[in-house]
Amino acid sequence: DVKVTQSSRYLVKRTGEKVFLECVQDMDHENMFWYRQDPGLGLRLIYFSYDVKMKEKGDIPEGYSVSREKKERFSLILESASTNQTSMYLCASRRHGTGGAGGGYTFGSGTRLTVV
Amino acid sequence: ELKVEQNPLFLSMQEGKNYTIYCNYSTTSDRLYWYRQDPGKSLESLFVLLSNGAVKQEGRLMASLDTKARLSTLHITAAVHDLSATYFCAVAGGSQGNLIFGKGTKLSVKP
Repeated sequence: DVKVTQSSRYLVKRTGEKVFLECVQDMDHENMFWYRQDPGLGLRLIYFSYDVKMKEKGDIPEGYSVSREKKERFSLILESASTNQTSMYLCASRRHGTGGAGGGYTFGSGTRLTVV
Repeated sequence: ELKVEQNPLFLSMQEGKNYTIYCNYSTTSDRLYWYRQDPGKSLESLFVLLSNGAVKQEGRLMASLDTKARLSTLHITAAVHDLSATYFCAVAGGSQGNLIFGKGTKLSVKP
């Protein structure tokens, strides 16, 4: 079964801390994505990557960075966590250029981050 | 810029009733997806619709696509409590063919 694994389900961090959220997929997918989900705002794309060492900004990249050193792993980094980054973070992956019935995203189980 | 709008955003239904969720999108796309999210959980793929007139059904849920109207519908037949969840539609069309998501419809089915 296709799998996207996020390393933590729940995290509590202090303001100003550097925070790493890890995502690993075992499907050999080229594309990986980080979203945050907040009530009333839906899913907002933070960053995505379409290949190793490649990254593109999404709609809300401010305050975040990413790292993709290996194909299977895509990390989201909060350089200096702030309370407005308290949110649910969702990682997803998909095969690049998939047409037909593919092309959909497989999501991880999510990380609920609280910054205090 | 591709925009995806869902309505309603909140839907409270009685068990046994029928209802429809609508998903409109602003520019041409060749793929539309429906996802389900249970409270505190991640998104689970329900349907992918690829062509005009496509219809997919799974249990009490039926999704359809009208590419000319840029409209997809998710129809719920004889709702049961287990269908309570948030439903998202997503359209392929962003950069690199990325998916653009609607804001979701929170469905609550009451006895």
